[in-house]
Amino acid sequence: DSGVTQTPKHLITATGQRVTLRCSPRSGDLSVYWYQQSLDQGLQFLIQYYNGEERAKGNILERFSAQQFPDLHSELNLSSLELGDSALYFCASSAPQQGAYGYTFGSGTRLTVV
Amino acid sequence: AQSVTQLDSHVSVSEGTPVLLRCNYSSSYSPSLFWYVQHPNKGLQLLLKYTSAATLVKGINGFEAEFKKSETSFHLTKPSAHMSDAAEYFCVVSDRRFGNEKLTFGTGTRLTIIP
Repeated sequence: DSGVTQTPKHLITATGQRVTLRCSPRSGDLSVYWYQQSLDQGLQFLIQYYNGEERAKGNILERFSAQQFPDLHSELNLSSLELGDSALYFCASSAPQQGAYGYTFGSGTRLTVV
Repeated sequence: AQSVTQLDSHVSVSEGTPVLLRCNYSSSYSPSLFWYVQHPNKGLQLLLKYTSAATLVKGINGFEAEFKKSETSFHLTKPSAHMSDAAEYFCVVSDRRFGNEKLTFGTGTRLTIIP
């Protein structure tokens, strides 16, 4: 157990629907990062939050949004889902001042859009 | 912009023989480099990280990587492959400028171990 918890582990939904992926960071970590792993795009950075504030944005679609709550857990919201959104979504967390050196990844949420 | 190129999409070696997974990086600044491993249906695990303290970096499970600035390379090696090493390996770069914390992943190398 890495200490980063992602729920659910698997999600199957239909096109056009909306889903929410949840991530609880490791205790003490203030940064949360979201990544998408798909067959055609590989592993891509989506967005980072630090202590409730958006810190950096990557290749995140406008249909996707995220937030980090006061208890530091984060949610990634995916709406108007398309078949191409099927992917493994990873969350990672990192301690203050650790940045890229202190990543811990969760086990991911596998999203299947049918 | 920073990037990494993994030169082989698939590597097969026999159990007990050396492993070499190749990675070249591109960065206009002193990069932070990592190797991550992903076993089937599992998450991402850090194998090792280059922090500029030493060019030869030792990681977990007997893996090591050497940072060569002149060749812009960060190849991953292991003297003797085990069956449990079969997995997908990712070379990763992060630009340390401006507190950049995002990771840029290579396309991955799938390592197959032949019994």
